[in-house]
Amino acid sequence: AQSVSQHNHHVILSEAASLELGCNYSYGGTVNLFWYVQYPGQHLQLLLKYFSGDPLVKGIKGFEAEFIKSKFSFNLRKPSVQWSDTAEYFCAVIPPNTGTASKLTFGTGTRLQVTL
Amino acid sequence: GAGVSQSPRYKVAKRGQDVALRCDPISGHVSLFWYQQALGQGPEFLTYFQNEAQLDKSGLPSDRFFAERPEGSVSTLKIQRTQQEDSAVYLCACGIRLSYNEQFFGPGTRLTVL
Repeated sequence: AQSVSQHNHHVILSEAASLELGCNYSYGGTVNLFWYVQYPGQHLQLLLKYFSGDPLVKGIKGFEAEFIKSKFSFNLRKPSVQWSDTAEYFCAVIPPNTGTASKLTFGTGTRLQVTL
Repeated sequence: GAGVSQSPRYKVAKRGQDVALRCDPISGHVSLFWYQQALGQGPEFLTYFQNEAQLDKSGLPSDRFFAERPEGSVSTLKIQRTQQEDSAVYLCACGIRLSYNEQFFGPGTRLTVL
């Protein structure tokens, strides 16, 4: 089945460590890609998105993601994490051929825990 | 309000009971989506509206699930004869337009069916 995969379910990092969270999708064709974050007790918020153009996308709070079409990947990165980055991170895709709909298909999420 | 609100935030239902979950989207946002998030999973699409029209309900898991948005603003997700497998967080999201746009999520309603 076509899907979105996040291979890291739980990541623990010390403050100032570098972060890379993997996201792979299995759809062919043109996709639109997103990373959402959910801080403890809060709602899902958009970190960044890719529709077209420069495959290196910069988002809020120092996050960036790189779209590599040949690898069907859209990995999230941050050079130096902070304790406040502790949250759950979701990769999401608008698959191709959904017409005008923008319904999202999500990965299972990666729980990031940053220790002091 | 400034964001999407959902009520109730928590709902405990006995198996077989009917429940209604409400979503108040951001004013003027045309599209409205419902997602179901089971424990340890990502959100899964249920249905969406463009204004008052329900354009896709392919994600609704059974005919016990029903959603409406009669005036193109507030939406209600109704679950009849709840089952334990319906236990999940139900998320509402809205967007300015229907196509390829950022979705703004509400805090969700956590439904527990005993």
